[in-house]
Amino acid sequence: DQQVKQNSPSLSVQEGRISILNCDYTNSMFDYFLWYKKYPAEGPTFLISISSIKDKNEDGRFTVFLNKSAKHLSLHIVPSQPGDSAVYFCAARGGKLIFGQGTELSVKP
Amino acid sequence: DSGVTQTPKHLITATGQRVTLRCSPRSGDLSVYWYQQSLDQGLQFLIQYYNGEERAKGNILERFSAQQFPDLHSELNLSSLELGDSALYFCASSDTGDIYNSPLHFGNGTRLTVT
Repeated sequence: DQQVKQNSPSLSVQEGRISILNCDYTNSMFDYFLWYKKYPAEGPTFLISISSIKDKNEDGRFTVFLNKSAKHLSLHIVPSQPGDSAVYFCAARGGKLIFGQGTELSVKP
Repeated sequence: DSGVTQTPKHLITATGQRVTLRCSPRSGDLSVYWYQQSLDQGLQFLIQYYNGEERAKGNILERFSAQQFPDLHSELNLSSLELGDSALYFCASSDTGDIYNSPLHFGNGTRLTVT
């Protein structure tokens, strides 16, 4: 039972354009959401988070949007840079931290 | 560098064997988490310890066990290994047991290959 789903295994974007990574969840009791970025041969690193009482949180080029009615969150990266190429995991807190399967982002110069 | 140290980086062993994965959390962090990442799978939560005590349990098999020692390092023991146990095992730490105030900091993982 996958409570947090990232339905796109991969995404390719041109440098300078917007990257939009999506995440869906099933449990309406989740109250906190996070995005992690993972480079090869490294562990995931925390990127940005959002509480369920908000619908948007912004940090530099990264913005996370939360749509509670749709049980959907997205991560926007503007502008995308080649160094953003990595696997992105969304995660939701529901007693424990539950991760999605990840989306591999490739930003092409 | 997250400050979380995992050893060994790679481990190759045979089915039926037992292995121990080790994790040293960031200095000052009291909570340790173990996650498993299999091929095409997300990070599956296994178990959490806080200051030596088990705090939460996830999809951890009975063949697996963990503990956190007084110096706060943690070990994950995997026994009667099967081919399907081949995966990346990540340890993460946080300064409290509550991820709301303290996002997890991950180590670089131990890649286990069971042949």
